[in-house]
Amino acid sequence: TQLLEQSPQFLSIQEGENLTVYCNSSSVFSSLQWYRQEPGEGPVLLVTVVTGGEVKKLKRLTFQFGDARKDSSLHITAAQPGDTGLYLCAGAKDSSYKLIFGSGTRLLVRP
Amino acid sequence: IAGITQAPTSQILAAGRRMTLRCTQDMRHNAMYWYRQDLGLGLRLIHYSNTAGTTGKGEVPDGYSVSRANTDDFPLTLASAVPSQTSVYFCASSPQGDVADTQYFGPGTRLTVL
Repeated sequence: TQLLEQSPQFLSIQEGENLTVYCNSSSVFSSLQWYRQEPGEGPVLLVTVVTGGEVKKLKRLTFQFGDARKDSSLHITAAQPGDTGLYLCAGAKDSSYKLIFGSGTRLLVRP
Repeated sequence: IAGITQAPTSQILAAGRRMTLRCTQDMRHNAMYWYRQDLGLGLRLIHYSNTAGTTGKGEVPDGYSVSRANTDDFPLTLASAVPSQTSVYFCASSPQGDVADTQYFGPGTRLTVL
């Protein structure tokens, strides 16, 4: 059973389109991170959100942590081929050292 | 600055053989982690270490062991490999192991057990 469910699992869109990726759980997390992974490489951190309702922007990427700290979303505006990759959310509970990863959303942005 | 290095890059291994995956970081991070990544399952934590000399079990520790003799190195050993251990293995480190820390990942080792 996946503690963090990501949707959609796969998304193929045209350059310039907008998209939203979701990360949902029935559990409360003290913080949530989003990573992007390119083929043959390890994940790279994009953002960490720690406060319920928090919104963070990274250029064309907007991240939101749900008010109840059970879910998060990643919105990309005007997607570019360079955005192609696997997007992973990862949550941490309380003072644990352990991150729990979602299964990922694979994004393909076609030129 | 290398960050995190992993070796080997890939390996094909016969079932029953012993294998050690190497991981070295040069960032003087306290915490280190081993994950496996399988299609549709994301990254799952195998073992972790909060600081040199201590280790802990993650979500899927069975069949794996680790040691942390010093800050820089965190090898992962498969004592007797089985086909279900075919996966991509990632080592990661973070400065303090705090929940909000950034984890820095290595490039991964692709392991196939036949």
